[in-house]
Amino acid sequence: GESVGLHLPTLSVQEGDNSIINCAYSNSASDYFIWYKQESGKGPQFIIDIRSNMDKRQGQRVTVLLNKTVKHLSLQIAATQPGDSAVYFCAWRNRDDKIIFGKGTRLHILP
Amino acid sequence: EAGVTQFPSHSVIEKGQTVTLRCDPISGHDNLYWYRRVMGKEIKFLLHFVKESKQDESGMPNNRFLAERTGGTYSTLKVQPAELEDSGVYFCASSLGWRNTIYFGEGSWLTVV
Repeated sequence: GESVGLHLPTLSVQEGDNSIINCAYSNSASDYFIWYKQESGKGPQFIIDIRSNMDKRQGQRVTVLLNKTVKHLSLQIAATQPGDSAVYFCAWRNRDDKIIFGKGTRLHILP
Repeated sequence: EAGVTQFPSHSVIEKGQTVTLRCDPISGHDNLYWYRRVMGKEIKFLLHFVKESKQDESGMPNNRFLAERTGGTYSTLKVQPAELEDSGVYFCASSLGWRNTIYFGEGSWLTVV
């Protein structure tokens, strides 16, 4: 079957350091991947997306990397700040326009 | 521009009662989705509207759940009768087109006691 999952449920990072959140997917025909950030008590907020014809895309302080060979997706956050504390979900959209979410990784910022 | 809005933000009901959740998508967005997250698990797809038509309702758990989008504007999701396992957060999302970015609301947090 098709699935999207995360390696680590919780990630603790020192403030100012870079964060890397990983996601593995398998047997996917999707050509589009998305990262969402969910802060406590709020809905998922779009961060960045990437299409399968690319292997890297940069935003403001965030970079998404896609490795189709090993079916791996990662989100890099530069100079992590307290406001980055949240649960991060990778997701993919299939041909039926349905978004499938992974389990989420909680990012905890250490002072 | 207003985002996706959901009402109520929180609801506590007794088992067997009925609850109706409402979602107002971003103005002009034809695509409207319902998702839910229960017991800290993954966010799961429930269904997808294109205007007033149900494009995909494969994620609806059972016939206690009924979603409508009359007129192709706002949508409601009714749970009747509610069961304990229905507790969780119900997210609504919308997008302009089927290949555009999907924006989520803040969620309706449902507790069934």
